[in-house]
Amino acid sequence: ETGVTQSPTHLIKTRGQQVTLRCSSQSGHNTVSWYQQALGQGPQFIFQYYREEENGRGNFPPRFSGLQFPNYSSELNVNALELDDSALYLCASSLEGILSEQYFGPGTRLTVT
Amino acid sequence: KNQVEQSPQSLIILEGKNCTLQCNYTVSPFSNLRWYKQDTGRGPVSLTIMTFSENTKSNGRYTATLDADTKQSSLHITASQLSDSASYICVVRPFGANNLFFGTGTRLTVIP
Repeated sequence: ETGVTQSPTHLIKTRGQQVTLRCSSQSGHNTVSWYQQALGQGPQFIFQYYREEENGRGNFPPRFSGLQFPNYSSELNVNALELDDSALYLCASSLEGILSEQYFGPGTRLTVT
Repeated sequence: KNQVEQSPQSLIILEGKNCTLQCNYTVSPFSNLRWYKQDTGRGPVSLTIMTFSENTKSNGRYTATLDADTKQSSLHITASQLSDSASYICVVRPFGANNLFFGTGTRLTVIP
């Protein structure tokens, strides 16, 4: 176990709805990264938060947004859900630094119908 | 375009046998390369991490190699066990960037 937790485990939403996914980072970690993993694919970087500020973003539209709280936990919000948003959403916590290990949570499986 | 490609896409081996998984990348400049193991429906777990100056790194039965000149890496698994059945993902971090580029993984199945 990495000490990174995510909730909920599974979620089913309909197209057009909004969703919030949550991540609790490992104790002492100040950086959280979010990834989208479609079935059979590698994870794709969505964005990273460091000390409550967005610190890098991948090629995802603005309807993907996030927050990081003072305790370094984080939320991923997705508005106007599309069928292609169905995926496993992973968060990873780490310390700042290029060699800092990223510890992944178990993921949230989102299904959009 | 930054890419990480892995081969083979899937592999089936007998328990106790060795295997080698390949990773080619075009990410440049390059900071470090990681290998992760991912069980189905679970988050990836780190096996090794190597900077551009390292050639090899071992973690138990897992040994990763890196050739930064040819932009190739391999993960060698010795004396495979049934619990090694998982996807193995090669991940490259660009120099000066916070994001990681993931390969699509090699799905390894170890059979008795």
